[in-house]
Amino acid sequence: AQSVTQLDSQVPVFEEAPVELRCNYSSSVSVYLFWYVQYPNQGLQLLLKYLSGSTLVKGINGFEAEFNKSQTSFHLRKPSVHISDTAEYFCAVSPGTYKYIFGTGTRLKVLA
Amino acid sequence: EAGVTQFPSHSVIEKGQTVTLRCDPISGHDNLYWYRRVMGKEIKFLLHFVKESKQDESGMPNNRFLAERTGGTYSTLKVQPAELEDSGVYFCASSQFANTGELFFGEGSRLTVL
Repeated sequence: AQSVTQLDSQVPVFEEAPVELRCNYSSSVSVYLFWYVQYPNQGLQLLLKYLSGSTLVKGINGFEAEFNKSQTSFHLRKPSVHISDTAEYFCAVSPGTYKYIFGTGTRLKVLA
Repeated sequence: EAGVTQFPSHSVIEKGQTVTLRCDPISGHDNLYWYRRVMGKEIKFLLHFVKESKQDESGMPNNRFLAERTGGTYSTLKVQPAELEDSGVYFCASSQFANTGELFFGEGSRLTVL
């Protein structure tokens, strides 16, 4: 079985500051890793995904994440956030099937 | 190209009533999924259709929930009778393939049971 932990339920950060949203997972098998974002009144949108290959994954809107197998982490980073990045971010894993296991989400609040 | 669309966006009903949520997947996507997020918790898998067939309904909480996908196009999720603990956001997603890549999610249908 797999599990995903997003320890930070809320992260406030000032505009143009860097941010890191943490994600740790547990799995006895190899998994695919995902970050989704939900902007207010919108659906879940894929930010980036790790399937294989390079452990540094670049996504949309300047976000990137690094897969660390030894630490079972897939933290999301952005060097400089904008007000428009205010949203809820979800980390998810999949053992290669459609049954995604999601974390509880992290609300990013970008302050002016 | 239209994305996954869900209706209604928000529904408020009394305990014991019935609600039907609808999902229209992306055209050409044979795979359709329902997920649910109960307030403050993680988003959890409910079931998976391939065309009109239920492939996996292991996440359905109980027999008060009935999902259908007529003709392999849109899907409905009926809750009857609704209980307080059914409140949450119901997400529909679709994909061309089931076992790789990305699921495309809709905006979700928020259900509030009073």
